[in-house]
Amino acid sequence: DIQMTQSPSSLSASVGDRVTITCRASQSISTYLNWYQQKPGKAPKLLIYAASSLQSGVPSRFSGSGSGTDFTLTISSLQPGDFATYYCQQSYITPTWTFGQGTKVEIK
Amino acid sequence: EVQLVESGGGLIQPGGSLRLSCAASGFTVSSNYMSWVRQAPGKGLEWVSIIFSGDDTYYADSVKGRFSISRDNSKNTLYLQMNSLRAEDTAVYYCARESSRFGELSMDVWGQGTTVTVSS
Repeated sequence: DIQMTQSPSSLSASVGDRVTITCRASQSISTYLNWYQQKPGKAPKLLIYAASSLQSGVPSRFSGSGSGTDFTLTISSLQPGDFATYYCQQSYITPTWTFGQGTKVEIK
Repeated sequence: EVQLVESGGGLIQPGGSLRLSCAASGFTVSSNYMSWVRQAPGKGLEWVSIIFSGDDTYYADSVKGRFSISRDNSKNTLYLQMNSLRAEDTAVYYCARESSRFGELSMDVWGQGTTVTVSS
């Protein structure tokens, strides 16, 4: 199975900060990498698919990059509604998907 | 509006069975890949099962042989039949639509989730 490891597990940041979350795969997954945002008590929401493509309706302050084993989700200027938990997910090995353990973004 | 609405969760004793439903609107379940994902209390996301448009089905090792995914095209509804339930199956269960772009899959539409609690 492909293991997905996110870092950090949590971070504290202020509104307006640039935030970067990293996801590492245990083997190469090309660009088969998605990012989701989840707020407490709510379903996950797709932000980025295929490593760097912005899902329709998602603000452009969110961006994704990477290929192979190392990926990054960047929020260019953190907004109040962005405090949430973020998950990466690989879709390389069909059909056994795996998620990272999550990164909780909290208010400093 | 594209929407998924789950139902069927509840409190069930270990060893019992439960069937979750996921009613779709705004798109056709039969022509899409559909997944179930769960989240144990305070934990991360875990993929559970997927059904492809050709009716091929796959399961996580943790539920293989106990859970069964299916769909009723006439009702535009996805199901998850869960048998031999264990305490570790306690979670919020989400259904999700898989979207294929650039040949890659991502879950672009999610239901609100339904809670399953396995306890005596």
